[in-house]
Amino acid sequence: DTEVTQTPKHLVMGMTNKKSLKCEQHMGHRAMYWYKQKAKKPPELMFVYSYEKLSINESVPSRFSPECPNSSLLNLHLHALQPEDSALYLCASSRFREVDNEQFFGPGTRLTVL
Amino acid sequence: ELKVEQNPLFLSMQEGKNYTIYCNYSTTSDRLYWYRQDPGKSLESLFVLLSNGAVKQEGRLMASLDTKARLSTLHITAAVHDLSATYFCAVDPAGGTSYGKLTFGQGTILTVHP
Repeated sequence: DTEVTQTPKHLVMGMTNKKSLKCEQHMGHRAMYWYKQKAKKPPELMFVYSYEKLSINESVPSRFSPECPNSSLLNLHLHALQPEDSALYLCASSRFREVDNEQFFGPGTRLTVL
Repeated sequence: ELKVEQNPLFLSMQEGKNYTIYCNYSTTSDRLYWYRQDPGKSLESLFVLLSNGAVKQEGRLMASLDTKARLSTLHITAAVHDLSATYFCAVDPAGGTSYGKLTFGQGTILTVHP
């Protein structure tokens, strides 16, 4: 299995809702990432988990809460989001090797906050 | 802070023509990645460049890396319509606590016309 999967593909939520995004990989990768991408902009890194521990948090607001239950799964819990949080949320994974840390991206979740 | 700059940001090409996209970055690194993104889709890995002088080719695309000049190029030969997409370069800083933190260029929107 050489892909990263994400669910759901699309999500519409109100500002008071709580929802979760899910990401899964079965490539034996030891690092997983969450990115946020607004239209016509590059992806912006949000979180990095390496060996199931949070290693980078790019000062993301606490209404975004990541979770890594095991080395294959990564969740992003959403609560009290704002309309400006509407974006494409991309998950990625990598081997996390010094020599080559190529990141493989999932298809993304298109999030709309009303 | 690592800065990655691509140019041009918009590229309109005729089919059959050649052109080069440039990616400059501001700090030491010998790990650079090129990605392609189609509208509404995720990022697809194109090239992994891991050393000074690295050159990779796939079809009509060729990427190179000059770590001394902190410059990578993506050369397009005899463009075809199927190459229309947004192309991103991304740099992984050399070690330290930022390892795994990809910084992306702004992206080059390539449109190939008949």
